[in-house]
Amino acid sequence: NAGVTQTPKFRILKIGQSMTLQCTQDMNHNYMYWYRQDPGMGLKLIYYSVGAGITDKGEVPNGYNVSRSTTEDFPLRLELAAPSQTSVYFCASSYPPGRGATEAFFGQGTRLTVV
Amino acid sequence: AQSVTQPDIHITVSEGASLELRCNYSYGATPYLFWYVQSPGQGLQLLLKYFSGDTLVQGIKGFEAEFKRSQSSFNLRKPSVHWSDAAEYFCAVVSDSNYQLIWGAGTKLIIKP
Repeated sequence: NAGVTQTPKFRILKIGQSMTLQCTQDMNHNYMYWYRQDPGMGLKLIYYSVGAGITDKGEVPNGYNVSRSTTEDFPLRLELAAPSQTSVYFCASSYPPGRGATEAFFGQGTRLTVV
Repeated sequence: AQSVTQPDIHITVSEGASLELRCNYSYGATPYLFWYVQSPGQGLQLLLKYFSGDTLVQGIKGFEAEFKRSQSSFNLRKPSVHWSDAAEYFCAVVSDSNYQLIWGAGTKLIIKP
């Protein structure tokens, strides 16, 4: 049972380069999320999606873009990478949260360094 | 705005000792609360969650947490820690505005042999 799969696990980018972080889930979850994790800062929500074709900004969306063409996939695009985007990125998915909220399932993370 | 505070950045305990990790939240109504664990180099895994009912919640790996409305707290406990419990622990609450999770900054647990 794969759950949430993120690729790549590690990446070094030069300033100004672009890349896409891939995320796929096989649990048929409607909701998917991208977080970044910086030391001592917990998790910050970048973007989320409530279903195919629908995305919305989270707390820290600047410098990122997302798309959701299928239920399974939720790629995160970094355009013009900057050192401030050095972080660990986590993708997660869940059934609709809120009343009777269910847990979020996380991928193993992508450690990105921008130099 | 809602917030979650984990006052301890690091906690060190001896193997076999008891553990309590603190979590305080700001919220008006009954919150939906979670504790997650992150082992080194891994993603986050749910330990336990509280929605309603019994204020003492049991989770995986021998952890429990108690919801105390009067103190706005949801502290995580374990009677006897094992070296494998060394990890970072995150408390989270569901936002009442967009139903997304609001995260604490995490507490890193260090186990002394």
